[in-house]
Amino acid sequence: AQSVTQPDIHITVSEGASLELRCNYSYGATPYLFWYVQSPGQGLQLLLKYFSGDTLVQGIKGFEAEFKRSQSSFNLRKPSVHWSDAAEYFCAGLSWGKLQFGAGTQVVVTP
Amino acid sequence: DAGITQSPRHKVTETGTPVTLRCHQTENHRYMYWYRQDPGHGLRLIHYSYGVKDTDKGEVSDGYSVSRSKTEDFLLTLESATSSQTSVYFCAISGTASTDTQYFGPGTRLTVL
Repeated sequence: AQSVTQPDIHITVSEGASLELRCNYSYGATPYLFWYVQSPGQGLQLLLKYFSGDTLVQGIKGFEAEFKRSQSSFNLRKPSVHWSDAAEYFCAGLSWGKLQFGAGTQVVVTP
Repeated sequence: DAGITQSPRHKVTETGTPVTLRCHQTENHRYMYWYRQDPGHGLRLIHYSYGVKDTDKGEVSDGYSVSRSKTEDFLLTLESATSSQTSVYFCAISGTASTDTQYFGPGTRLTVL
């Protein structure tokens, strides 16, 4: 079955440290992949997307993601985390016109 | 930000009552979607619309119906609300289904007592 998996439910990171959030996909063909962020009580904001081409994708707020076909992964990274990055992050895959979301990763940023 | 509003933003209702949630867009996008968000499940698609009066079911459509009489409005109805429908509901829009980004509204928190 087509799906997107986020293995980490919860991650704690110190402010200024690097962050990597994992996302694995299971699709027959290369899907369109997205990362969204949700701050408490807010809707989902698009961070970045991968459709084709360059496998390293730059997004907003200093985030980037790398598409690795060999590992079926689309991990999100940020070199230096700010307290405002505390939020829930969702990976999603678009296939046959429908978005499928991972369960989300909650990021906590400590001083 | 995409012009998407949802109303109401919060609602508390009782089991067995009908509830209608509204999504309104100002982007003239063809596709509109309703999702529900529950802890541990991410967002799951309830119904979507690919044009006025054209709708289809998503992953978790049981107990829900939708209507779209105008391009800008997409209504989600719970005919007889149950406690299992307590959730946060998000509307999304996109220009195309297969290649376009979906943009999300602010959400409606629904509590069914």
